[in-house]
Amino acid sequence: KNEVEQSPQNLTAQEGEFITINCSYSVGISALHWLQQHPGGGIVSLFMLSSGKKKHGRLIATINIQEKHSSLHITASHPRDSAVYICAVSLYNTDKLIFGTGTRLQVFP
Amino acid sequence: DTGVSQNPRHKITKRGQNVTFRCDPISEHNRLYWYRQTLGQGPEFLTYFQNEAQLEKSRLLSDRFSAERPKGSFSTLEIQRTEQGDSAMYLCASSLASYRSSGNTIYFGEGSWLTVV
Repeated sequence: KNEVEQSPQNLTAQEGEFITINCSYSVGISALHWLQQHPGGGIVSLFMLSSGKKKHGRLIATINIQEKHSSLHITASHPRDSAVYICAVSLYNTDKLIFGTGTRLQVFP
Repeated sequence: DTGVSQNPRHKITKRGQNVTFRCDPISEHNRLYWYRQTLGQGPEFLTYFQNEAQLEKSRLLSDRFSAERPKGSFSTLEIQRTEQGDSAMYLCASSLASYRSSGNTIYFGEGSWLTVV
């Protein structure tokens, strides 16, 4: 069993839809990261959170430490949101990341 | 913008050849990480430096792989006697660990794609 599990693996949506991607983890963490990866490779950090909720524009990330679960929400999705979204956790005393396998999101106009 | 820089971005090599990738982290960052990512998978940890010290190596890092970070600045990842299974993207990331030992923002390079033919 992977230490970081994401669902769904693939997600298609129509422009404007509300999107949720889920992440569960089984290890003790110091922080959870939501990352975005576009074709070609580059990874951009969207959020880093260790408790509660963060919002940036149309993106919202929440984490429940007791349940070891996090969600990434995209409101009013747009085709430019199409990318792979990766959940990763950093362990105590290091910034080393353990990654989920990613969720491939395609938003159609 | 002086983000994390990786070179070369793409490398095609014949099986058995040696390849070297370079990563230039954000200048004041003291931590540097190498990850490997194959198609359809999330990145996997390879190795990690704090300043010039290599603090951890994954079991994925066979004896054909070596990484260095002389003077605690740029890092190189060398793969000797490449095999087709080495074909992947090699990602570098860096962070600044100051008063917090973890939970610091991590910055990624664009990755170096390796194809072994």
